[in-house]
Amino acid sequence: GAVVSQHPSRVICKSGTSVKIECRSLDFQATTMFWYRQFPKQSLMLMATSNEGSKATYEQGVEKDKFLINHASLTLSTLTVTSAHPEDSSFYICSARDPGTGIRTEAFFGQGTRLTVV
Amino acid sequence: GNSVTQMEGPVTLSEEAFLTINCTYTATGYPSLFWYVQYPGEGLQLLLKATKADDKGSNKGFEATYRKETTSFHLEKGSVQVSDSAVYFCALSDQSRGRRALTFGSGTRLQVQP
Repeated sequence: GAVVSQHPSRVICKSGTSVKIECRSLDFQATTMFWYRQFPKQSLMLMATSNEGSKATYEQGVEKDKFLINHASLTLSTLTVTSAHPEDSSFYICSARDPGTGIRTEAFFGQGTRLTVV
Repeated sequence: GNSVTQMEGPVTLSEEAFLTINCTYTATGYPSLFWYVQYPGEGLQLLLKATKADDKGSNKGFEATYRKETTSFHLEKGSVQVSDSAVYFCALSDQSRGRRALTFGSGTRLQVQP
């Protein structure tokens, strides 16, 4: 099946610094990718929808200036957590569907990134 | 809006025991329903799905039936193995405004002991 690769799997950064997380579709071109966030013992919450060649669509309550999303190519989307703070520590995961398939088909997920801000 | 509710874990079972993980949902329209599994250190993988009422999804001995009348999609397996230890997520397709994102439950950790 299709593969989505996410990097890094774990990152520890200091407060105030920025962290970039990459999400790549390895064997298909993804016009749309999704970024989720998961707090301990909670659901994966959709943060934003990343659209190739255009601006991302953010969910209500998600700060677009803090969580910068770039989708410059059909196989790569990046999430940059700017000026990270300890409350940004979380598990971030991306996903994508093969283009042209409907919402009834599966989404493919990256391995996730565990971000710890100290 | 849409929501998915899963039973809290962890669920701890002995090998060969029967497994049920409850999942109920709230949605407008007719969502598709999914179970994803996350093994330690890996990403989410689709386990099974059902796209309409009364459909039964099955894979690797796991089953779930789309019950519209009870808005449920409970996951079952007759005999679990140690290798089934993982976190299981129930999810539905979000059809509002034509988006393709998924709405997830909180996940249920399953621990199977030999």
